[in-house]
Amino acid sequence: DAGVIQSPRHEVTEMGQEVTLRCKPISGHNSLFWYRQTMMRGLELLIYFNNNVPIDDSGMPEDRFSAKMPNASFSTLKIQPSEPRDSAVYFCASSLARQGVTGELFFGEGSRLTVL
Amino acid sequence: EDKVVQSPLSLVVHEGDTVTLNCSYEVTNFRSLLWYKQEKKAPTFLFMLTSSGIEKKSGRLSSILDKKELFSILNITATQTGDSAVYLCAVEGNEKLTFGTGTRLTIIP
Repeated sequence: DAGVIQSPRHEVTEMGQEVTLRCKPISGHNSLFWYRQTMMRGLELLIYFNNNVPIDDSGMPEDRFSAKMPNASFSTLKIQPSEPRDSAVYFCASSLARQGVTGELFFGEGSRLTVL
Repeated sequence: EDKVVQSPLSLVVHEGDTVTLNCSYEVTNFRSLLWYKQEKKAPTFLFMLTSSGIEKKSGRLSSILDKKELFSILNITATQTGDSAVYLCAVEGNEKLTFGTGTRLTIIP
């Protein structure tokens, strides 16, 4: 298996532009997570899906952020409009949750976003 | 709100030394505690702990959980330069995985 695949690896954009980050989880995994990592705040959970259904989006900073998972093999995280404070590395991770335990998270390589 | 605190924030030791990294937590409905190693890119999985007092071991790394005192430790013996990384602790409670800010470990040759 190729692991969790994220795109783009790097994105540089200007304030106000729309940004879409993409993720393909590991085949067979039933949980998908979006995290944001910065030096100041570490790894923060933005949202997570179980069986394609959003379970907890309390970490989504504000209405400018939205995430979808239309099927088991694809998810997107969208920021519209983007702001400089959104600059961070965005990680997607997936796992095979069993009996209420998330289990080992497998992380993608991350998407480094810079908003000028 | 769930809380995970790691200490120390950073640690610099010489190759061959033994280190102990700490993780304390406050979560509702504890399910599991996980340790990850992060070098330049994505975190990679080390251990998952769900039961108190049972040591998990992988080579020079080992970890144990104390659910009564709400903490875990990660030990690395005979450290090598390749152990230099940020070590992250994450705790799952109420279906949410919360990460600590990590301990940055630097091994000097």
